[in-house]
Amino acid sequence: GNSVTQMEGPVTLSEEAFLTINCTYTATGYPSLFWYVQYPGEGLQLLLKATKADDKGSNKGFEATYRKETTSFHLEKGSVQVSDSAVYFCALSDNTGNQFYFGTGTSLTVIP
Amino acid sequence: DVKVTQSSRYLVKRTGEKVFLECVQDMDHENMFWYRQDPGLGLRLIYFSYDVKMKEKGDIPEGYSVSREKKERFSLILESASTNQTSMYLCASSLWGGMNTEAFFGQGTRLTVV
Repeated sequence: GNSVTQMEGPVTLSEEAFLTINCTYTATGYPSLFWYVQYPGEGLQLLLKATKADDKGSNKGFEATYRKETTSFHLEKGSVQVSDSAVYFCALSDNTGNQFYFGTGTSLTVIP
Repeated sequence: DVKVTQSSRYLVKRTGEKVFLECVQDMDHENMFWYRQDPGLGLRLIYFSYDVKMKEKGDIPEGYSVSREKKERFSLILESASTNQTSMYLCASSLWGGMNTEAFFGQGTRLTVV
């Protein structure tokens, strides 16, 4: 079946530190992969996506590369800001595109 | 700008009440979803729908029902609210068969049952 496993949180970093949040997946076929961000009290917003192997998604300084050989989609940012404090969800869509599977979320707090 | 709109940001209801959570999307999407979000459990799928008047159970449908009378609207119904249904509820929509497309989320409804 399809599933997503992501790094347990919470994660606390100082401003300008390097961020990595690990995500691995299990899927049949060729899923698309996503990172969503949820700010306090809000719904989920798409942060970035990748639709095939070796694609790199990027947005707002965040990046993630679709690694089929390691079934991974790790989120990285070179220098985090206080405004990046949020919960991050890794997700995949199945090979029909009609179902989505989410990790449990990783809470990030960035301190000045 | 694409939009998924949930009717309430915050709701407080009493145990035993019938509760309606409404969701409207303006993107002409076929697929609509209801999730609940609880700390440490992530998002859990309650119900989804691929078309008008169509519904499918997700992972945790007990105590809930849904209605989809129009393509743009998907309602979640708590038949008799209980305190263990206190949660954040998220509605989402997506294109049917959209292999490379994402789900779009509403802002969430935080429901408290007292």
